[in-house]
Amino acid sequence: DAGVTQSPTHLIKTRGQHVTLRCSPISGHKSVSWYQQVLGQGPQFIFQYYEKEERGRGNFPDRFSARQFPNYSSELNVNALLLGDSALYLCASSLPGMNTEAFFGQGTRLTVV
Amino acid sequence: AQKVTQAQTEISVVEKEDVTLDCVYETRDTTYYLFWYKQPPSGELVFLIRRNSFDEQNEISGRYSWNFQKSTSSFNFTITASQVVDSAVYFCALSEANNNDMRFGAGTRLTVKP
Repeated sequence: DAGVTQSPTHLIKTRGQHVTLRCSPISGHKSVSWYQQVLGQGPQFIFQYYEKEERGRGNFPDRFSARQFPNYSSELNVNALLLGDSALYLCASSLPGMNTEAFFGQGTRLTVV
Repeated sequence: AQKVTQAQTEISVVEKEDVTLDCVYETRDTTYYLFWYKQPPSGELVFLIRRNSFDEQNEISGRYSWNFQKSTSSFNFTITASQVVDSAVYFCALSEANNNDMRFGAGTRLTVKP
């Protein structure tokens, strides 16, 4: 079975631009979460979606948004990119239920110049 | 508020040594969940273990073992007879009940030298 897949793997954007990151969960997983991992730090929670509904949001500005599609895949959108948005963006999927273990993809490395 | 502290930033050991990675957490909830993840250079976080706050039994899985002590708010991870392939960054994480925000520690970089 395929694990969590994310695309693209690497991305370079200019300040002020917009970016869309994509994630496909493990088959059968209906919950998708997004995390931002700045170099040298632990991942920080951005969003969780379940059945296309937002179930949780971390302390991130409104420039960050996400959505989940009927096939449970998800997109993370970031507008008006800042240099500080440069990070590894990780997507995780999990089975329904609270506090279940999350399975992560390999991430998208975003560099803002 | 939930918080996870991994005081050891980097640890270096020689192959076959035992090594313990420390994790201390803070939470006001009585129901919570603790996790350990491994992040190899490829970047993907690999799930290792999940424990709930009502299960203080220590767990052993092959060379890995976990010591959960509520009295000291710690959930430490020991690798016995370490191997080069164990080299990675290890993260401890906490999730409070009915809260989808998994809070990670800053991670401990483990280097196992041959």
